[in-house]
Amino acid sequence: DAKTTQPPSMDCAEGRAANLPCNHSTISGNEYVYWYRQIHSQGPQYIIHGLKNNETNEMASLIITEDRKSSTLILPHATLRDTAVYYCIVRVGRRGGGADGLTFGKGTHLIIQP
Amino acid sequence: NAGVTQTPKFRILKIGQSMTLQCTQDMNHNYMYWYRQDPGMGLKLIYYSVGAGITDKGEVPNGYNVSRSTTEDFPLRLELAAPSQTSVYFCASSPGTGGDEKLFFGSGTQLSVL
Repeated sequence: DAKTTQPPSMDCAEGRAANLPCNHSTISGNEYVYWYRQIHSQGPQYIIHGLKNNETNEMASLIITEDRKSSTLILPHATLRDTAVYYCIVRVGRRGGGADGLTFGKGTHLIIQP
Repeated sequence: NAGVTQTPKFRILKIGQSMTLQCTQDMNHNYMYWYRQDPGMGLKLIYYSVGAGITDKGEVPNGYNVSRSTTEDFPLRLELAAPSQTSVYFCASSPGTGGDEKLFFGSGTQLSVL
């Protein structure tokens, strides 16, 4: 699986859009980009994932560059409860052939300022 | 909606003691995982299972054992606890179909070995 690079920490004002970058320059064609977050002391929570196209759900938007070497997670209106560590993970999609989990790095600690 | 349930939430062990961390899920997921997270670090995979009766080692399996006799339960056994096993342990599950790596995590077990 491709390696990812994220900034260790970021600040964002409450009510503003939080844009979290992730570099994955060695990504291959069949690898998905996943985003999870971990609020202090809790288990990680799935946010969103995508392959090539931009994706949006009720939590966030995922923008993947055309060359797929980087992506951005967007939280459109950040609240204090969005303060958490955000993990960007690149993973080959598997269809019933076994799933040996995801590799979580150190992620980005996003701090939402009041 | 219970999801993934872990017990106990906290435990203190003496060096050399043994214990079992319990994990159960009610989503009928095929795949289950055990991770550990040391302070300030990402998650490391200990063991995983792709179905009842099938388990495999992850990145850091030494000092641990698992079993999967039912779809719902995936206990993690620590034999001869050591201070290096002081960590927060997370259990997770995923459907295991369609190449989807959407993991659902429990709330964790904080273990201290003194």
